[in-house]
Amino acid sequence: GAVVSQHPSWVICKSGTSVKIECRSLDFQATTMFWYRQFPKQSLMLMATSNEGSKATYEQGVEKDKFLINHASLTLSTLTVTSAHPEDSSFYICSARAQGREKLFFGSGTQLSVL
Amino acid sequence: DAKTTQPPSMDCAEGRAANLPCNHSTISGNEYVYWYRQIHSQGPQYIIHGLKNNETNEMASLIITEDRKSSTLILPHATLRDTAVYYCIVSPMNRDDKIIFGKGTRLHILP
Repeated sequence: GAVVSQHPSWVICKSGTSVKIECRSLDFQATTMFWYRQFPKQSLMLMATSNEGSKATYEQGVEKDKFLINHASLTLSTLTVTSAHPEDSSFYICSARAQGREKLFFGSGTQLSVL
Repeated sequence: DAKTTQPPSMDCAEGRAANLPCNHSTISGNEYVYWYRQIHSQGPQYIIHGLKNNETNEMASLIITEDRKSSTLILPHATLRDTAVYYCIVSPMNRDDKIIFGKGTRLHILP
């Protein structure tokens, strides 16, 4: 079945550094991918919709200059958390749908801890 | 905002059927009902989806009311590994349509 791969699984960084998270669709082309953030004991919150070859669409309240999204190919979207701060520590999850498929597939998530 | 309402938590004895309800009274005609679950610190896992007919797969059964305003996910023989947060979601099947998660139901399977 369709698989979405997310890397890295966890990352620890110092405050002020930037962190890149990759999301790949392994056996299908994804013109659209979605990025979510999840804080402990809370639900997934949609951050942005990543569109191949064009700018991402951000949800209200999500800073586009803080969370840079690049969707340069049909199988890869990246989320870069710029100048990370401790409040950016969270679980980040990507997802994608294959064309003609009704399911949304999720990556395994990235736990970001900013010291 | 999420278009679904679920109880925040439920308990179920191991080996018994777990019945998880979901209300989606504002569902549109082109929207499917999806169920996902999330085990701690993992990405959500697809369980089942349906439009208006009841559905069954190797994991669960989905019962959708005739007016489509509510549904029930049934795990026929719950095991400890079914302990997770279960999310009921309504969404069109189009590839570009975003999915908004509600708060889900935290299911505890009791030994």
